[in-house]
Amino acid sequence: AQTVTQSQPEMSVQEAETVTLSCTYDTSESNYYLFWYKQPPSRQMILVIRQEAYKQQNATENRFSVNFQKAAKSFSLKISDSQLGDTAMYFCALLNSGGSNYKLTFGKGTLLTVNP
Amino acid sequence: AAGVIQSPRHLIKEKRETATLKCYPIPRHDTVYWYQQGPGQDPQFLISFYEKMQSDKGSIPDRFSAQQFSDYHSELNMSSLELGDSALYFCASRATGTSEETQYFGPGTRLLVL
Repeated sequence: AQTVTQSQPEMSVQEAETVTLSCTYDTSESNYYLFWYKQPPSRQMILVIRQEAYKQQNATENRFSVNFQKAAKSFSLKISDSQLGDTAMYFCALLNSGGSNYKLTFGKGTLLTVNP
Repeated sequence: AAGVIQSPRHLIKEKRETATLKCYPIPRHDTVYWYQQGPGQDPQFLISFYEKMQSDKGSIPDRFSAQQFSDYHSELNMSSLELGDSALYFCASRATGTSEETQYFGPGTRLLVL
């Protein structure tokens, strides 16, 4: 079975500062993908960033970057220059691509509040 | 760019009624996933379809059924609704044969069972 753990239920950060959200996971598969999704108050699920497990280079998307530590099974999200619009629930998710099962397994989420 | 379309966006039903949720995937996406997100919860996988065949099944109650049609849209049929079925139901779509393995989510259908 695969699991995703987000140990920070809530976090807050001042506008323009940097914040890091933590995520650990467990899987027995060798081929997998990791994602961060953002869910603002509208409850739309928005893809933030994606990381392929076979790639050693950490993914980056503008102000968002990850620190992927495969041996430690850790996948943290760093948000730089935080903006008020970053206020949302952030879900870390795992997808195993080794078989026919491509479902996403989500963590419980981290509620991030960006303060002005 | 075109996104996943879900209808209706909001639905209110009484207990024991039935509901049908519809999902229209992104053009050229051949795989559809359904997730259920209860209040304050993370999304839970229900069922998925690839090329109109069920590809995987999660924690979907027997009262629910789903299918994918020839145009790749999918419908989730829910019968004998219970109060606990009140949730946000997401559909996501994916294009197989690409290296992305990314699921793109629709806006969700908010179901309230009274």
